[in-house]
Amino acid sequence: GAVVSQHPSWVICKSGTSVKIECRSLDFQATTMFWYRQFPKQSLMLMATSNEGSKATYEQGVEKDKFLINHASLTLSTLTVTSAHPEDSSFYICSASNRKNNSPLHFGNGTRLTVT
Amino acid sequence: KNEVEQSPQNLTAQEGEFITINCSYSVGISALHWLQQHPGGGIVSLFMLSSGKKKHGRLIATINIQEKHSSLHITASHPRDSAVYICAVESDKLIFGTGTRLQVFP
Repeated sequence: GAVVSQHPSWVICKSGTSVKIECRSLDFQATTMFWYRQFPKQSLMLMATSNEGSKATYEQGVEKDKFLINHASLTLSTLTVTSAHPEDSSFYICSASNRKNNSPLHFGNGTRLTVT
Repeated sequence: KNEVEQSPQNLTAQEGEFITINCSYSVGISALHWLQQHPGGGIVSLFMLSSGKKKHGRLIATINIQEKHSSLHITASHPRDSAVYICAVESDKLIFGTGTRLQVFP
């Protein structure tokens, strides 16, 4: 089945630094990638939707200058958490889909970010 | 009120039992997803539905568009089915339910 690789699986960083999370579709072309965050014991919250080659669409309340999303190719999207703060500590997950053939969503395994 | 409601929030079952998880939504949708999230956080897409019924192994998902309701059934449940099951709908964006935590005991 289709595989989405997310890297790193966990990261610890200091306040004020930036962290980049990668999401790769390994065996299909991902026309659309989604980024989510999840707080403990809560459901997923969609942060943004990115279509290959265009700017990401951010959900209300998500700062686009803080969470930079790049979807430069059909197999790679990145989320960069800039000037990270402890409140950014969360579980970040990506999913990918090829909307041209109405494929289902395929999820990465997530990245646990801890900001100290 | 959430746009996607799941019930129950928590479910405990004995191995072998038939399990049903329900999802109701209040928005127009193009598709509904059932997802499984394991304790480590990894998420697996179980089904994507826009109408009718789908079956995969011991899992069955149904959707009633008129009633805006979907159910996920697990037949002959097993401890390895223990996970959080999440319903998500595609409207103008993806909207997630709060999940159902299932524990199946041997």
